[in-house]
Amino acid sequence: GAVVSQHPSRVICKSGTSVKIECRSLDFQATTMFWYRQFPKKSLMLMATSNEGSKATYEQGVEKDKFLINHASLTLSTLTVTSAHPEDSSFYICSANTYEGQYFGPGTRLTVT
Amino acid sequence: AQKITQTQPGMFVQEKEAVTLDCTYDTSDQSYGLFWYKQPSSGEMIFLIYQGSYDEQNATEGRYSLNFQKARKSANLVISASQLGDSAMYFCAMRSYNNNDMRFGAGTRLTVKP
Repeated sequence: GAVVSQHPSRVICKSGTSVKIECRSLDFQATTMFWYRQFPKKSLMLMATSNEGSKATYEQGVEKDKFLINHASLTLSTLTVTSAHPEDSSFYICSANTYEGQYFGPGTRLTVT
Repeated sequence: AQKITQTQPGMFVQEKEAVTLDCTYDTSDQSYGLFWYKQPSSGEMIFLIYQGSYDEQNATEGRYSLNFQKARKSANLVISASQLGDSAMYFCAMRSYNNNDMRFGAGTRLTVKP
């Protein structure tokens, strides 16, 4: 199956700083990638759809100025959590589709202290 | 709007027995796909099985089968011959081919007892 990678796998940052998470499709091109957020013992919640070459589409209630998404190429989407606060601590997972199915990255665990 | 419902927060099954995890969904779309994923404690999402809305046969993948009842809008996952390694969170998900994004149910935590 297709492979999606994420970097970093874990990150700890201080309140007020920004953190960038990268999502790459390793062996296929993805015009669309999806960003999810998962709180402990909860389900995955779709945050936004990242579109190559155009603006991301955010779900209702997700602050686009706080969660900046850039889909600069067909294999890379980035999520930047700006001015992070402890309540942004969560597990962030990206995903991309192929005609065969939907594949997920291994996730990034963000802890804001 | 799509809605995925998993009514079992937790399930227990004895090793080597079969277990059914429930999933119902609601959509007005005609073309959609139903997925089941396993999420162990490591956090990775492991794809298990897929059922297309137009597929007439129930999907099967090894020990996993999907009991698809379109009229009832249900897509239950059946795991046969449970193994200790099956203990994990299981998520039902749906993707509409109109907007292509995937939505998840709340999940069911399965525990396999030795």
